[in-house]
Amino acid sequence: GAVVSQHPSWVICKSGTSVKIECRSLDFQATTMFWYRQFPKQSLMLMATSNEGSKATYEQGVEKDKFLINHASLTLSTLTVTSAHPEDSSFYICSALSQGLANLNEQFFGPGTRLTVL
Amino acid sequence: QKEVEQDPGPLSVPEGAIVSLNCTYSNSAFQYFMWYRQYSRKGPELLMYTYSSGNKEDGRFTAQVDKSSKYISLFIRDSQPSDSATYLCAMSGGTGGFKTIFGAGTRLFVKA
Repeated sequence: GAVVSQHPSWVICKSGTSVKIECRSLDFQATTMFWYRQFPKQSLMLMATSNEGSKATYEQGVEKDKFLINHASLTLSTLTVTSAHPEDSSFYICSALSQGLANLNEQFFGPGTRLTVL
Repeated sequence: QKEVEQDPGPLSVPEGAIVSLNCTYSNSAFQYFMWYRQYSRKGPELLMYTYSSGNKEDGRFTAQVDKSSKYISLFIRDSQPSDSATYLCAMSGGTGGFKTIFGAGTRLFVKA
């Protein structure tokens, strides 16, 4: 199946700093990528939909100025958590829609990035 | 009311048991129904997907969709300790397009 990678897999940062997370589709092009956040023992909550070459669409309650998304190419989307605070500590997961499988709504998920803000 | 309801468990079964996992939903426009498996501290991986109503079988796994009841199920036969994970149902399609709504996930433990 299609492979999606995330980098870094784990990051610790100080409160007030910014952290960038990369999501890459390794063997296919993805015009659409999704960013999710998952708190312990809870399900995935969609944060935003990232479309290549256009602005991301954010879900209600997600601050677009705090969670900056850039989808500059068909294989890379980045999420930057700006001025991170301890409550931003979570597991961030991206997924990508394969163009060839778009009609099946199949998302390929990355392995996730665990962010801890001290 | 949540769009997708799923009992978080945990569900503990002995090895070899048949496992039944279920979700209910409220949006009749959903057309695609998926089951994902997520191991601890890993991203979800797609197990099965079904379009509209019906059954689908893949090895030890069977997915069922009953759109009239807004109810989906995943059955695991001859469960193995390696099946221990969190299973998430997910749905998309209709007016929501590609946006996928996930259930809370059911934690499954298969005891050897």
